[in-house]
Amino acid sequence: GNSVTQMEGPVTLSEEAFLTINCTYTATGYPSLFWYVQYPGEGLQLLLKATKADDKGSNKGFEATYRKETTSFHLEKGSVQVSDSAVYFCAPMDTGRRALTFGSGTRLQVQP
Amino acid sequence: DGGITQSPKYLFRKEGQNVTLSCEQNLNHDAMYWYRQDPGQGLRLIYYSQIVNDFQKGDIAEGYSVSREKKESFPLTVTSAQKNPTAFYLCASSPRDRGRRTGELFFGEGSRLTVL
Repeated sequence: GNSVTQMEGPVTLSEEAFLTINCTYTATGYPSLFWYVQYPGEGLQLLLKATKADDKGSNKGFEATYRKETTSFHLEKGSVQVSDSAVYFCAPMDTGRRALTFGSGTRLQVQP
Repeated sequence: DGGITQSPKYLFRKEGQNVTLSCEQNLNHDAMYWYRQDPGQGLRLIYYSQIVNDFQKGDIAEGYSVSREKKESFPLTVTSAQKNPTAFYLCASSPRDRGRRTGELFFGEGSRLTVL
């Protein structure tokens, strides 16, 4: 089955700083890739996705590029805001089960 | 509004009791999933169902049971056989796009179970 490795948190940044959260995975084939975000006490929301190699997913200023050579899907944002404070999960699709495999999550704390 | 409704939001259980968590969706999605989330860990797949009257075990199915009698509903029972049931439980559903599973999951707000 799939496995996902995310950088450990918490990641603490000042407002307007540049963000990178690393994600690498192992999977069979070339699965669709997802980033989800979880705000305190809530379920997960889709942040962005990419369905094939070299695709770039983007949403709310966040971006991630599907790199099949390095099996990576790193999340980036040029200028974070306090409201971006949340836990971020990287998730490749398990094409056999058609379910997502989630990383351990990276907590982001943005300070004013 | 379309979405996924989980209930109850908070639940307390005594050891040895079974408890059922409800998950209802009105998105007309075929597939539904249950995940468990523990502090500092990612989500782990308990059970999933691609179609009515059919479901499969995920990675941590022991001590849990499900049913899928209706497209809209996928209840999860946490049995007394589950050794460490205190956790946050998330239900999700997934649509098809032109007949293919997209992989995108839509989540409910979760149910927090505490065993006393």
